[in-house]
Amino acid sequence: KQEVTQIPAALSVPEGENLVLNCSFTDSAIYNLQWFRQDPGKGLTSLLLIQSSQREQTSGRLNASLDKSSGRSTLYIAASQPGDSATYLCAVRLVSGGYNKLIFGAGTRLAVHP
Amino acid sequence: DGGITQSPKYLFRKEGQNVTLSCEQNLNHDAMYWYRQDPGQGLRLIYYSQIVNDFQKGDIAEGYSVSREKKESFPLTVTSAQKNPTAFYLCASSTPQAGTIYNEQFFGPGTRLTVL
Repeated sequence: KQEVTQIPAALSVPEGENLVLNCSFTDSAIYNLQWFRQDPGKGLTSLLLIQSSQREQTSGRLNASLDKSSGRSTLYIAASQPGDSATYLCAVRLVSGGYNKLIFGAGTRLAVHP
Repeated sequence: DGGITQSPKYLFRKEGQNVTLSCEQNLNHDAMYWYRQDPGQGLRLIYYSQIVNDFQKGDIAEGYSVSREKKESFPLTVTSAQKNPTAFYLCASSTPQAGTIYNEQFFGPGTRLTVL
């Protein structure tokens, strides 16, 4: 059974720091991996999607890497800002029998203080 | 604007009542999903539908029911059989699996259900 773990569960950093959020998964047979941002009481916003054949994806100050063989992904946030404060979720996509299923981690709650 | 709408934003239910959560999308996506989110936990899949008039149980379908009569709509009913329904419910949609590489899921804003 696929399990997704995110470490740390919570993180508080001063503005301007570079930081790394970690995601690990138990079964390497994934189709792709997606990082989301969730603000309190809101839905999920997709940040980056990495296909299983890719090693990394970048969008602005965000960089996500994927090491499928070791079951790990990291989300790197450069020069953090207070507006980055949110919960970050990673999810792996399984494809089996023609359906598309996301398995989510519990998230990392990030607070960036001025 | 294309997107996913969920209503209501907040919903209160008395014990023993059935309630229905609405999810509508105008992204022309074939697949739609319902997730439940509890504090400190990841999202868990309740039901999903790949095409109209077809849907499948997810990991925690007990106490829930769905219908998919139109491509744009995928309502979720929380029945009285669901013992602990207080949670945040999220609807999502995606492009079809076949013939696509990039089948990212897009999420609605969510409905917070509270049992009184």
